[in-house]
Amino acid sequence: GQQLNQSPQSMFIQEGEDVSMNCTSSSIFNTWLWYKQDPGEGPVLLIALYKAGELTSNGRLTAQFGITRKDSFLNISASIPSDVGIYFCAGHPPNTGNQFYFGTGTSLTVIP
Amino acid sequence: DGGITQSPKYLFRKEGQNVTLSCEQNLNHDAMYWYRQDPGQGLRLIYYSQIVNDFQKGDIAEGYSVSREKKESFPLTVTSAQKNPTAFYLCASSIDRHTPLQAAEAFFGQGTRLTVV
Repeated sequence: GQQLNQSPQSMFIQEGEDVSMNCTSSSIFNTWLWYKQDPGEGPVLLIALYKAGELTSNGRLTAQFGITRKDSFLNISASIPSDVGIYFCAGHPPNTGNQFYFGTGTSLTVIP
Repeated sequence: DGGITQSPKYLFRKEGQNVTLSCEQNLNHDAMYWYRQDPGQGLRLIYYSQIVNDFQKGDIAEGYSVSREKKESFPLTVTSAQKNPTAFYLCASSIDRHTPLQAAEAFFGQGTRLTVV
C-alpha cells in the first residue's frame, strides 16, 4: 500500500519555537488529515483539509493543502511542552473507496 | 458521548493462542478499520470494512481475521498464524466516503497493546 513521505522524522526544539513539518505523496489526494498521537494512545484528529490551497487553523496549529494536491504542511507556533508527541499526516486519494494512507510520523520533543 | 472504544487496553497472549480484540463505535459510521503500529513506525492497514457483512484485506492481513456482523462492531482476531503479533493495534471508523459531500475523516480508538509471552 501507499505510504506518504513525512519529514522530518524527529524534531527537538526549545519551548516557544515554531515548528514546521510536511508530507508528500507521489499521487494526488482529495483530503489531507493531520493527527497527534500521545504515547500509548490513539491518534487524535487535529486538522482536516479538503481543497487544494486551503489553509486552516486550529489554535496554534495551521495546516495547508498543497496546490499540487500532492503535499501538505503543518505548522505549530510558540510550542509548549504539551505539544510533545508524534504527528501523523494522512491522505485520502480519489477512487480508493474509504481507504486512508498514513505518513511515517514526526516525533516532536519540546525542551522547556 | 460518541466515540470508539477498544478493549482491552493491554492483552497478553501465549504462543499458539488466538486472541480477539474488541472495537465498538457509536458514531453511526459505516466504515471501520484495523491498523497495526510497531515502535517508531507508521500505521499499516490490516483489514477494513465499508459496510456490514463485508470487509477487505489491507496490506498486512495474513494471520488476522475479522467479522462485521453489526454496524457498531468490528472485532479483530489475531491467530496463531501471525508470526510476530506483538504490536499496538488501532481501530478507526469513518463516514462512508461515497456519501456525497461527506467529510472523509477517520477517528481512532485508544488502542490495544498486544504482547506475546
